[in-house]
Amino acid sequence: KAGVTQTPRYLIKTRGQQVTLSCSPISGHRSVSWYQQTPGQGLQFLFEYFSETQRNKGNFPGRFSGRQFSNSRSEMNVSTLELGDSALYLCASSLRTGGYTDTQYFGPGTRLTVL
Amino acid sequence: GENVEQHPSTLSVQEGDSAVIKCTYSDSASNYFPWYKQELGKRPQLIIDIRSNVGEKKDQRIAVTLNKTAKHFSLHITETQPEDSAVYFCAASRSGGGADGLTFGKGTHLIIQP
Repeated sequence: KAGVTQTPRYLIKTRGQQVTLSCSPISGHRSVSWYQQTPGQGLQFLFEYFSETQRNKGNFPGRFSGRQFSNSRSEMNVSTLELGDSALYLCASSLRTGGYTDTQYFGPGTRLTVL
Repeated sequence: GENVEQHPSTLSVQEGDSAVIKCTYSDSASNYFPWYKQELGKRPQLIIDIRSNVGEKKDQRIAVTLNKTAKHFSLHITETQPEDSAVYFCAASRSGGGADGLTFGKGTHLIIQP
């Protein structure tokens, strides 16, 4: 099975712009979670999508949003970019079968640099 | 919300020796505890996980122990090899119908000295 894929892998934007990142989960996986990784804050949970609905959200401002399509692919959008948004954005997919938490498999990430 | 503390931040061991990384969590409702290994420039990869109904789990040279009463869990790597050098992250999560997301520790940079 192909792993989780993310596009683009690298992105450079300027302050005030907006950006959209894409994530394709492992075939058959229905849940996509997004994480932000920075040297200072580490790995932080942004939100999770399942069945095209945001199910859980971390402690991030409303500038961070996302959506999920019927084929489980997900996009994440950041509006009005700030310098502090520079980070590696990782998505992770899981089966989301309910009951026990399923293993999350990470994609390679999108490296966002805000100038 | 959940808070996960991880120690040490850097660990240097001689090749062949054992390495132990410790994590504590704050939310007694957490019941899933994975460990991820991240090599430089690569994605985090799951190396082992444990659920709260189990006290210990082993997979070849890697083992994880969980103490629910004390709310701490540890990663043990025996007979360390150069390819074990990486950053290791512990995480905690609640489950049961809703994926609250993984709360990660800040990571441990494991250095294997030849």
